[in-house]
Amino acid sequence: GAGVSQSPSNKVTEKGKDVELRCDPISGHTALYWYRQSLGQGLEFLIYFQGNSAPDKSGLPSDRFSAERTGGSVSTLTIQRTQQEDSAVYLCASSQPGLGAAEQYFGPGTRLTVT
Amino acid sequence: RKEVEQDPGPFNVPEGATVAFNCTYSNSASQSFFWYRQDCRKEPKLLMSVYSSGNEDGRFTAQLNRASQYISLLIRDSKLSDSATYLCVVTSNFGNEKLTFGTGTRLTIIP
Repeated sequence: GAGVSQSPSNKVTEKGKDVELRCDPISGHTALYWYRQSLGQGLEFLIYFQGNSAPDKSGLPSDRFSAERTGGSVSTLTIQRTQQEDSAVYLCASSQPGLGAAEQYFGPGTRLTVT
Repeated sequence: RKEVEQDPGPFNVPEGATVAFNCTYSNSASQSFFWYRQDCRKEPKLLMSVYSSGNEDGRFTAQLNRASQYISLLIRDSKLSDSATYLCVVTSNFGNEKLTFGTGTRLTIIP
C-alpha cells in the first residue's frame, strides 16, 4: 500500500517568506509526527498529533512554526518569516496505536533551503 | 549532555567483518529502544526493536543494558548493502510518543 508522502520534495525560498509543507500519512494511522534533520545534526522532534489534536508541541523551535491536521489525515507544517537556520530536511512519520511501541513510518521528507 | 549519544564514526569495515556500535541514553525512564537505518538522502527506516532480553534478526543482534543505560548493535558477516547511517532511538512511553534520535553512526563496508 501507499506509504507516507510529503510535498514538495524540495523547496527553495527567500528569507522572510512563509512556507507550507504537507504530509499525507498512511491511511488509518492516527498518530502523525513532524521531525527536522539539519546538516550534521540528528533528527529533532517538532510536534506530534493524535487525530487532529496535538498533545505534544514541545519541539517547535519558535512561534514562527505551526502545524495543523485536519480530518485525522493530512497535516501541514507552516513556517512563517523563514530564516536561514530553518534550512533542513523536514520529515513526517505516522504510526498506528497498538500494544507496545509502535513503529513509525517516515516519508521521504521535504528539503527546505532558505536563501 | 545529549539524551542519546552515539559515536559518529565513520566506521570503515571490510566486507565479511563483524562490527558493533554502542549508544548511551540519559533518561532512565526511557521505555522503548530501536535501531533505525538511514541511507544517504533517504528517510530513516526501522531496522529492529531492542528488547531487554536481547534479540537477533539474521546477521543483526541488538542488546539493551538498562543498568548502564546503553544499547548495542552487532552486525555479523557485513555486506556492502549494510553501508548506511545507523540511528539509535529511544522513547519514554509505549505507543504514540516522540522518538529521540542519536546523531547516528556512519558505516561504510569496503569491498
